[in-house]
Amino acid sequence: LAKTTQPISMDSYEGQEVNITCSHNNIATNDYITWYQQFPSQGPRFIIQGYKTKVTNEVASLFIPADRKSSTLSLPRVSLSDTAVYYCLLNSGGYQKVTFGTGTKLQVIP
Amino acid sequence: GAVVSQHPSWVICKSGTSVKIECRSLDFQATTMFWYRQFPKQSLMLMATSNEGSKATYEQGVEKDKFLINHASLTLSTLTVTSAHPEDSSFYICSAQGGGSAGELFFGEGSRLTVL
Repeated sequence: LAKTTQPISMDSYEGQEVNITCSHNNIATNDYITWYQQFPSQGPRFIIQGYKTKVTNEVASLFIPADRKSSTLSLPRVSLSDTAVYYCLLNSGGYQKVTFGTGTKLQVIP
Repeated sequence: GAVVSQHPSWVICKSGTSVKIECRSLDFQATTMFWYRQFPKQSLMLMATSNEGSKATYEQGVEKDKFLINHASLTLSTLTVTSAHPEDSSFYICSAQGGGSAGELFFGEGSRLTVL
């Protein structure tokens, strides 16, 4: 049973803001929410991580509501190079295993 | 940020041979590493958890005698695909978990295995 649920795919035009939502209804108290980006034939790359409320870094923002049952990755003004698969993961540290859901394939259109 | 390196990036081998893939944490010690397998257009599937100094923990359906994992030091884990067959052709990715409560995972670049 997947711990997270995301849309399978999304399309966006260049320059637009993209929001990808992830559902995690059974998130545990000590789980952090982490988003990764993966290009073909490469390992996943860390984008952003948060526990609650809002987190922002130089490439993205992460919005987490109070109940933490979902999260939204926001990519401002996407470019063609943002075409990739985006994964939302729950991890609690303590060397607990981390499993992947389906991810969201984002296609940025010129 | 922390770096995890895999070697080789790609390998082609004949059916029946064994192939070893290395995963190194370059600037931190990794007590635990994870091995994933990814088929085309699919998500990453966890194969096993590699623990330094002890036996790996395999996920259900993963043959431990076929996918040998050795984690002999705090910076190196190896995955050996024994008696490889074409159906073992896949993209193998390792990851190591950093310290701290957030448990951020750092991933290697992946290793593409093609079995002829």
